Amino acid sequence: AQSVTQPDIHITVSEGASLELRCNYSYGATPYLFWYVQSPGQGLQLLLKYFSGDTLVQGIKGFEAEFKRSQSSFNLRKPSVHWSDAAEYFCAVVGGATNKLIFGTGTLLAVQP
Amino acid sequence: DTGVSQDPRHKITKRGQNVTFRCDPISEHNRLYWYRQTLGQGPEFLTYFQNEAQLEKSRLLSDRFSAERPKGSFSTLEIQRTEQGDSAMYLCASSFRDLTTDTQYFGPGTRLTVL
Repeated sequence: AQSVTQPDIHITVSEGASLELRCNYSYGATPYLFWYVQSPGQGLQLLLKYFSGDTLVQGIKGFEAEFKRSQSSFNLRKPSVHWSDAAEYFCAVVGGATNKLIFGTGTLLAVQP
Repeated sequence: DTGVSQDPRHKITKRGQNVTFRCDPISEHNRLYWYRQTLGQGPEFLTYFQNEAQLEKSRLLSDRFSAERPKGSFSTLEIQRTEQGDSAMYLCASSFRDLTTDTQYFGPGTRLTVL
């Protein structure tokens, strides 16, 4: 069965520092992968997605992610974090014919001034 | 395009009461999903509609839960005889599948608290 693992429950970075959030997936075929961000008490906002093609995907708010099939990973990166990036980040993979999303448990990002 | 909307945003109820949530998808999106998110967890799939047909239900969706999407537009999720374990954020998402993409857009969610 498809699954997503986000190994880091909580990460703290300093404003202006670089960021990498890890995501590993389990899927038999070519996966459709997503990163969403959730601010407290809010719904999920799409940051970026990978369906096929170029393995380096650009998203909104300066985020990017790289699909590495050999490592079953889809890590999210940002070169310089802003205080407004503090939120919870979810990686997801499409599972099944209905395209339902299977989410990881999320990584909570805190940004220090 | 006003995005996915959900109503109410918050609901507090007593155990044993029935509650109903509404989701209005992005217009012309033919696919609609319900998810449940508990504290500290990622969203978990509950059910899926393609137009008005309910095509998949998770085993998380007990017989106290029912969802509808009449006429393939808005959807409702009803929970009967609520239990404290039903306390969660209920998220709705919609999408339109074409040849190359099928991206789900989420609403703000309905937070349910069962006392």
